[in-house]
Amino acid sequence: DTAVSQTPKYLVTQMGNDKSIKCEQNLGHDTMYWYKQDSKKFLKIMFSYNNKELIINETVPNRFSPKSPDKAHLNLHINSLELGDSAVYFCASSQDSSGGSTDTQYFGPGTRLTVL
Amino acid sequence: AQKITQTQPGMFVQEKEAVTLDCTYDTSDPSYGLFWYKQPSSGEMIFLIYQGSYDQQNATEGRYSLNFQKARKSANLVISASQLGDSAMYFCAMRDFLSNTGNQFYFGTGTSLTVIP
Repeated sequence: DTAVSQTPKYLVTQMGNDKSIKCEQNLGHDTMYWYKQDSKKFLKIMFSYNNKELIINETVPNRFSPKSPDKAHLNLHINSLELGDSAVYFCASSQDSSGGSTDTQYFGPGTRLTVL
Repeated sequence: AQKITQTQPGMFVQEKEAVTLDCTYDTSDPSYGLFWYKQPSSGEMIFLIYQGSYDQQNATEGRYSLNFQKARKSANLVISASQLGDSAMYFCAMRDFLSNTGNQFYFGTGTSLTVIP
């Protein structure tokens, strides 16, 4: 049983194209996240949704648009892809904070995006 | 300001030895959680261990333990009896439970651990 799943695992595309990455969690969590991990392994938060509402929206180009059709899904759509968008994108989820170990964040397997 | 600081970009350890990966954090929230994740070369992010700010004892999970020193704001990960499979990137993370960003996790820059046979 996969807790947080992402598709596709690999995405190779040309500059200027539009692409989407899908994420689903079956943990019953209220909050979902998108992170970008660059070549130096630095993890940067991009967006976070809580019960389908955007709660964290870091400074990312508006070419990136998250969509949450329900609290189990958070998709990431990227318009007009650029070379600098090449990275690994992680989806994650967590429960609303209650001050305990159940507040752990769980990650999907990542999507390696390569823009040519 | 950096919420999580990992000062060791790379570490080496001999197989079967213990190793400590450093992590310091910055928060004014009295209630918070500290997490360690492992990222092997295959890329997935694996949750290892959790420590709550009010926990009286250091967390342990198998060969992993967290050396929690609240006054120093440090949460070092100790891996005992290192194995070749422990070679990976390790990330320290924090979550403030009471702030209005209670759903946000702050990550360090990671430490790359290499276990030498």
